[in-house]
Amino acid sequence: GQQLNQSPQSMFIQEGEDVSMNCTSSSIFNTWLWYKQDPGEGPVLLIALYKAGELTSNGRLTAQFGITRKDSFLNISASIPSDVGIYFCAGMNYGGSQGNLIFGKGTKLSVKP
Amino acid sequence: DAGITQSPRHKVTETGTPVTLRCHQTENHRYMYWYRQDPGHGLRLIHYSYGVKDTDKGEVSDGYSVSRSKTEDFLLTLESATSSQTSVYFCAISEPRRGGIQYFGAGTRLSVL
Repeated sequence: GQQLNQSPQSMFIQEGEDVSMNCTSSSIFNTWLWYKQDPGEGPVLLIALYKAGELTSNGRLTAQFGITRKDSFLNISASIPSDVGIYFCAGMNYGGSQGNLIFGKGTKLSVKP
Repeated sequence: DAGITQSPRHKVTETGTPVTLRCHQTENHRYMYWYRQDPGHGLRLIHYSYGVKDTDKGEVSDGYSVSRSKTEDFLLTLESATSSQTSVYFCAISEPRRGGIQYFGAGTRLSVL
């Protein structure tokens, strides 16, 4: 089946540093989503991207829909301790009817105060 | 949790016993999903439903069955639990008319001893 390659698998950074992670796919998507999962909780949607080349921000988070439609990037600026968690990318082909999500395996972020 | 309640939140059971997990939504979303999350595998789709009594298999459906008799409830049943089904189970909902984005519940942690 389809797979997403998400990297890095884990990151250990100092508070205040910027973070970058990405997802690549062997096939194209028309929607990219980024979720964050806190320990003991379900994934929460951070950013949704719908157009190739689109750049969208949500506070300190910025995500981009790759121009080839096969990749997406998430950046976190000036990290803080509450950014700790697992970040998942997900791709979907949505065309008015529901498409299933394909998830990356996640990037675990640890922030040292 | 976007109006999604999973019950129970934690369960310990023995090999060979039947187990039913419940997902209840108050959003009137058409689609409902069951995922399992395991270290190194990310989120994997078990079954999903696209309407009352309409269900389909996902990537890892063996050993699981589902039922949806009402829009708001989606049940996941392990007919005879095995240790390999120890996992964290997440329910998600989506509505095609709202872009098809999936929203997740808080999860059920199941241990099969």
